[in-house]
Amino acid sequence: GAGVSQTPSNKVTEKGKYVELRCDPISGHTALYWYRQSLGQGPEFLIYFQGTGAADDSGLPNDRFFAVRPEGSVSTLKIQRTERGDSAVYLCASSRAGGASGELFFGEGSRLTVL
Amino acid sequence: SQELEQSPQSLIVQEGKNLTINCTSSKTLYGLYWYKQKYGEGLIFLMMLQKGGEEKSHEKITAKLDEKKQQSSLHITASQPSHAGIYLCGAGTGGGGADGLTFGKGTHLIIQP
Repeated sequence: GAGVSQTPSNKVTEKGKYVELRCDPISGHTALYWYRQSLGQGPEFLIYFQGTGAADDSGLPNDRFFAVRPEGSVSTLKIQRTERGDSAVYLCASSRAGGASGELFFGEGSRLTVL
Repeated sequence: SQELEQSPQSLIVQEGKNLTINCTSSKTLYGLYWYKQKYGEGLIFLMMLQKGGEEKSHEKITAKLDEKKQQSSLHITASQPSHAGIYLCGAGTGGGGADGLTFGKGTHLIIQP
């Protein structure tokens, strides 16, 4: 596709439910990043994939958060037993080169609201 | 961990005026990125600075990197309503290593007609 695509754009769920957020990166981009942005804050790094493997998952806040990228393209961020504090915009970005050496292309985000 | 502090947090500027946004890092900068975010949207890449003293311009926006001060500034000349939004600086934490960018909290820019 032309840009990074994220679905759903909005998700409202109840506390304790399971949520999946999908990211479709730009074709050919090997690096994929997930960020979380709370109101009034900058994006907070969660996890980085280089190909199929998670090269750096140090930003995941706890074991309720998990992300996969089984074929090195589409990625899914999974949140178990959601809490109200998980409410935020989840941003996905991709780049040709991994790490901080290249421009990141961001999707428009998935806004998660946990009631 | 690296922290990026942006100033000011918010800025209201009359259309046509110049303005400057600053970004200061708590650690050595290995690449400094400026992004713009419209409310409710994703981030749009503006510029990347990698070397001390480097200066880049795009249309009416100029960014500079002062490596010694671990600081970057973003300057907008003759501001327009289209410049309104949130400006975010981001930095890598290693020399091109496999990690994500750390971002500041952003500067909210409002342009008054």
